[in-house]
Amino acid sequence: EAQVTQNPRYLITVTGKKLTVTCSQNMNHEYMSWYRQDPGLGLRQIYYSMNVEVTDKGDVPEGYKVSRKEKRNFPLILESPSPNQTSLYFCASSPRTGNTIYFGEGSWLTVV
Amino acid sequence: DQQVKQNSPSLSVQEGRISILNCDYTNSMFDYFLWYKKYPAEGPTFLISISSIKDKNEDGRFTVFLNKSAKHLSLHIVPSQPGDSAVYFCAASYNFNKFYFGSGTKLNVKP
Repeated sequence: EAQVTQNPRYLITVTGKKLTVTCSQNMNHEYMSWYRQDPGLGLRQIYYSMNVEVTDKGDVPEGYKVSRKEKRNFPLILESPSPNQTSLYFCASSPRTGNTIYFGEGSWLTVV
Repeated sequence: DQQVKQNSPSLSVQEGRISILNCDYTNSMFDYFLWYKKYPAEGPTFLISISSIKDKNEDGRFTVFLNKSAKHLSLHIVPSQPGDSAVYFCAASYNFNKFYFGSGTKLNVKP
């Protein structure tokens, strides 16, 4: 089954404690990205990757890091989480010539 | 500055009637538009799309209309069903590059 899998689905952490949200896709897609969803703001792109070892900032990259060492994986790293990073995060992938994006189920992160 | 806007945060419609969700964009370079549907506790799922060379695309009960001169697109759902109750996001892209999403409209279809 074609899917985008992200973990953890739910996490409560404390300010400053580094965390990583993993994302994996099994569709051999070139393009992967991370979004955060906040009330009234919709889906905002954090980072995206056009292919292995190619990443670029989205609209709200501050406080986040990413890496793309393998085609299927695109982890999101919060080096020093802060409460304003409490949000619902979605990983997504699409093929290079893709006309649609496939989303993971979301990860609820709470930073206290 | 948001390049894709959904100005109605919510919409309530009676079952069997038409639901019309609206979306405006500012970038005339956008050439591809999509609608996504999102249920609580799930990721957004693709619903329907339209290329800028068209002004209408239909898929069953769902039709998307594109008015390029007004930089406006709309999603029509006819007839609306209670299972259509969800948050709907519109999105736009240029050359399948970065995708820009609106803030979403929560649709409630009343039985």
